Amino acid sequence: EVQLVESGGGLVQPGRSLRLSCTASGFTFGDYAMSWVRQAPGKGLEWVGFIRSKAYGGTTEYAASVKGRFTISRDDSKSIAYLQMNSLKTEDTAVYYCTRLQVTTGGYFDYWGQGTLVTVSS
Amino acid sequence: EIVMTQSPATLSVSPGERATLSCRASQSVSSNLAWYQQKPGQAPRLLIYGASTRATGIPARFSGSGSGTEFTLTISSLQSEDFAVYYCQQYNNWPPSYTFGQGTKLEIK
Repeated sequence: EVQLVESGGGLVQPGRSLRLSCTASGFTFGDYAMSWVRQAPGKGLEWVGFIRSKAYGGTTEYAASVKGRFTISRDDSKSIAYLQMNSLKTEDTAVYYCTRLQVTTGGYFDYWGQGTLVTVSS
Repeated sequence: EIVMTQSPATLSVSPGERATLSCRASQSVSSNLAWYQQKPGQAPRLLIYGASTRATGIPARFSGSGSGTEFTLTISSLQSEDFAVYYCQQYNNWPPSYTFGQGTKLEIK
């Protein structure tokens, strides 16, 4: 069974940093692209970014709203994906979901974690 | 950026009836369209990808259709567990761009 478990969320002041982790199990982690999607309270879904598998260079792509501030990385030996968030803004407050991204056959998110809440407030 | 527009914002349907949800793209996305279901307090769940292919374990009462800029999600006979918010999402592979519609809330009439 595919499982994605996020951790690292919490309350952080504007301008500070936070790192989220996503621990995966139930599939060969290194074979897949991994992505983060967020949802502000009471709002819709917003794609944040993704990291390709090593077979496709392990490169990353980001939404314009977070480019230059957020960085996604991965540790295939531990089956963990990370989201490093710097220079946080109040508008980054959201539940952050880790997802598996089917990028080679399209670009849809076939498995989701339960999410971790990030609150940016002074 | 491709903008996805869903209609209606809220749809009231009785159990056992058919529900039809719409999603429009601001430019053609071919068949690169997915649908998700989200229940309160839960993560979204993939229902449909490639505009019409059901994801693993999704009941046959869910069907997707369309291509280009107009898409439809149909639930043929609503069950109590189907009342939720539904999102469409387009995927444009270069440059990578994944945008969601604003959602349709399907509520019990």
